Amino acid sequence: DGGITQSPKYLFRKEGQNVTLSCEQNLNHDAMYWYRQDPGQGLRLIYYSQIVNDFQKGDIAEGYSVSREKKESFPLTVTSAQKNPTAFYLCASSIQYYNSPLHFGNGTRLTVT
Amino acid sequence: SQQGEEDPQALSIQEGENATMNCSYKTSINNLQWYRQNSGRGLVHLILIRSNEREKHSGRLRVTLDTSKKSSSLLITASRAADTASYFCIIQGAQKLVFGQGTRLTINP
Repeated sequence: DGGITQSPKYLFRKEGQNVTLSCEQNLNHDAMYWYRQDPGQGLRLIYYSQIVNDFQKGDIAEGYSVSREKKESFPLTVTSAQKNPTAFYLCASSIQYYNSPLHFGNGTRLTVT
Repeated sequence: SQQGEEDPQALSIQEGENATMNCSYKTSINNLQWYRQNSGRGLVHLILIRSNEREKHSGRLRVTLDTSKKSSSLLITASRAADTASYFCIIQGAQKLVFGQGTRLTINP
């Protein structure tokens, strides 16, 4: 079955440590996205990639970094510069950036103490 | 801002009733999409409606789009307990995909 996989489901880190969240898709989608969701809130766009080897900042990119070296993979690194990293992180992909539905993974809940 | 704004923020109805949620926006759009999110899970795509379309159906779901009023509505007919979730609209304009804050729908048995 095709889909989008995020791992791990739960992640705990100490303050000051960088952490990388994994996102893999086997849907052959060109576009991939990272969103952050805080309790009772909507989703805010961190980074997106329209095609391999390209990515763009979203609304809240500070303290985050991404890479898109392979079509299937779009890992997100939460750096120590991110002031409030504890959140629910959602990865998504779509066939193309415009006019196509997003397919979401089941998310990674990151807790930083 | 291209962000959609859902209304109401929360809605509680009895099983079997219809539920209507609204989404308003301020800019021109290419398309508008509705998603469902169960607690602690990813979002599931429900319907995509393009700017030149006025209405779309999918099972018990009906979405309308009024570009003159810059608004869309999602109607769920004959609601079930399994429809309890948060519902989000996403606006796709010239650049970024932006989500609204969502409507929390609770279906009471």
